[in-house]
Amino acid sequence: GENVEQHPSTLSVQEGDSAVIKCTYSDSASNYFPWYKQELGKRPQLIIDIRSNVGEKKDQRIAVTLNKTAKHFSLHITETQPEDSAVYFCAACNYGGSQGNLIFGKGTKLSVKP
Amino acid sequence: DADVTQTPRNRITKTGKRIMLECSQTKGHDRMYWYRQDPGLGLRLIYYSFDVKDINKGEISDGYSVSRQAQAKFSLSLESAIPNQTALYFCATSVGSNQPQHFGDGTRLSIL
Repeated sequence: GENVEQHPSTLSVQEGDSAVIKCTYSDSASNYFPWYKQELGKRPQLIIDIRSNVGEKKDQRIAVTLNKTAKHFSLHITETQPEDSAVYFCAACNYGGSQGNLIFGKGTKLSVKP
Repeated sequence: DADVTQTPRNRITKTGKRIMLECSQTKGHDRMYWYRQDPGLGLRLIYYSFDVKDINKGEISDGYSVSRQAQAKFSLSLESAIPNQTALYFCATSVGSNQPQHFGDGTRLSIL
């Protein structure tokens, strides 16, 4: 079955710097890759997602890149702000192998220092 | 999204007790999920349901059971709670496979 590895587990950056979180997946049939942000004590919320027919997607300060050959995808946050501090989860899924269910990475705790 | 509602939000109970966590949704989604979140372990799937007549085990179903009473309701039960089931539990919904999932606010469960 699918396995998703996420790195780093913790990341600390200065406000205004960029942050990059990387995930690798094992099932080459996976075709949907969402990213979730979970603030302390809150529910995970979708911030961006990408499908396997594109290599990059941007939404303001957030971007996701996908390398299907290498089976990895990354979240890029530019001009970080204190409110970006949260735990970020990547996930992968494919219709066949995981019945369309999301397989999550273990999360990255991002701290943005003012 | 306030339209995935979990009750209770917090629960403290004792070992051996039966507990039910409830989830209801107004999104009209067919798929519903129960996850468990532990620090450093991410979100692990307990059970999922594609519709009222379809229930499937996830990665960590032992010690848990579920009931899909209607399209909008999906309940998780711990038949005889044990301390290592202390965790944060999330319900989620999605419109279909390979689609975003929408989470409830979670239930923090402590078993003494």
